[in-house]
Amino acid sequence: EVQLVESGGGLVQPGGSLRLSCAASGFTFSSYSMNWVRQAPGKGLEWVSYISSSSSTIYYADSVKGRFTISRDNAKNSLYLQMNSLRDEDTAVYYCARDGGSPRWAFDIWGQGTMVTVSS
Amino acid sequence: DIQMTQSPSSLSASVGDRVTITCRASQSISSYLNWYQQKPGKAPKLLIYAASSLQSGVPSRFSGSGSGTDFTLTISSLQPEDFATYYCQQSYSTHTFGPGTKVDIK
Repeated sequence: EVQLVESGGGLVQPGGSLRLSCAASGFTFSSYSMNWVRQAPGKGLEWVSYISSSSSTIYYADSVKGRFTISRDNAKNSLYLQMNSLRDEDTAVYYCARDGGSPRWAFDIWGQGTMVTVSS
Repeated sequence: DIQMTQSPSSLSASVGDRVTITCRASQSISSYLNWYQQKPGKAPKLLIYAASSLQSGVPSRFSGSGSGTDFTLTISSLQPEDFATYYCQQSYSTHTFGPGTKVDIK
């Protein structure tokens, strides 16, 4: 079964750090670009970051640039998001999502999400 | 950055109704437009990619059209399981989601 499972969410104080992980299974992880998407409580979806299959290309949303770092370990079939200098507005469910590549260029597989709460 | 808008922001409809949701991009995105369905407490699900291609396993009552800056998602005959929030997303330049359209029961 094709699956993505996020972990690492939790409660953190403003200014703190957290590292999210996403474990992939059921497909050749190293062949796909990956993304992080977040959703604040009661709000819409916000794309956060993209990493290509070989890690050669990385993009960030302006809202997280300079604070978040996306990475992957293809040997471990895992995607990561290192989040530093966290703010109240980073509170959200964070999803990892597979980029289906050509011709889709769409997020065809999603994890169940992990909740990050930034609060003092 | 490319901005996405959707209309309406919410709508009420009955089972069997034809429903149309519009998405507009701030600049031309060719056909790099995708549609997702999200139910409360669940991850989004891909419905339509490349503006008009139906994702595998998605019922044929869902269809998409458009190119350039204006796009539509149509549900030909609304079913009980279709009450959800729908998001468009551009994949022309990184990714941006629209604000969503909530479809609820009339």
